[in-house]
Amino acid sequence: DAGVIQSPRHEVTEMGQEVTLRCKPISGHDYLFWYRQTMMRGLELLIYFNNNVPIDDSGMPEDRFSAKMPNASFSTLKIQPSEPRDSAVYFCASRVIGANSPLHFGNGTRLTVT
Amino acid sequence: GENVEQHPSTLSVQEGDSAVIKCTYSDSASNYFPWYKQELGKRPQLIIDIRSNVGEKKDQRIAVTLNKTAKHFSLHITETQPEDSAVYFCAINTGGGNKLTFGTGTQLKVEL
Repeated sequence: DAGVIQSPRHEVTEMGQEVTLRCKPISGHDYLFWYRQTMMRGLELLIYFNNNVPIDDSGMPEDRFSAKMPNASFSTLKIQPSEPRDSAVYFCASRVIGANSPLHFGNGTRLTVT
Repeated sequence: GENVEQHPSTLSVQEGDSAVIKCTYSDSASNYFPWYKQELGKRPQLIIDIRSNVGEKKDQRIAVTLNKTAKHFSLHITETQPEDSAVYFCAINTGGGNKLTFGTGTQLKVEL
């Protein structure tokens, strides 16, 4: 299996622009998570899906952030409009059903907003 | 609550020495406690995990101990090597067990 696949690996954009991050989870995984990593706040859970349905979006910082999962093999995280403080590494992760099943991370997208 | 505290934030050891990282948590419903290793510029990767029905688990040079009564668990690395240098994160399952909440990370540096 290729693992969790994220694109792009790096994104540099100007503030005010729309940013879309993409994720393909491991085939057969029921849960998909979006995390943001910064030096100041560590690994923060933004939102997670179960069987393509958003379950908990309490970590989404503002209305500028939105996430979708139109099917079992694809999810997007969108920031519109982007701001410099959104600069971070965004990780997508997935796992199978079962509270104790391991979480598998993608390689992340490093976002820089200037 | 869902907080998990991790200590120390940085740890420097000599090659061959042991390293211990500790996490404490408050959610008594948590029953899954994984540890992740993140090398510079890379993704977090699971290195070991423990479930609440056991007190200790070992895999070669790494081990995890769990004290569910006191709500803390620890990562032990013996005979450290330079390639152990990385950031280590503990985590607990929360939100009914469906999501992982991570500690703040420990930067481990193994010096020659």
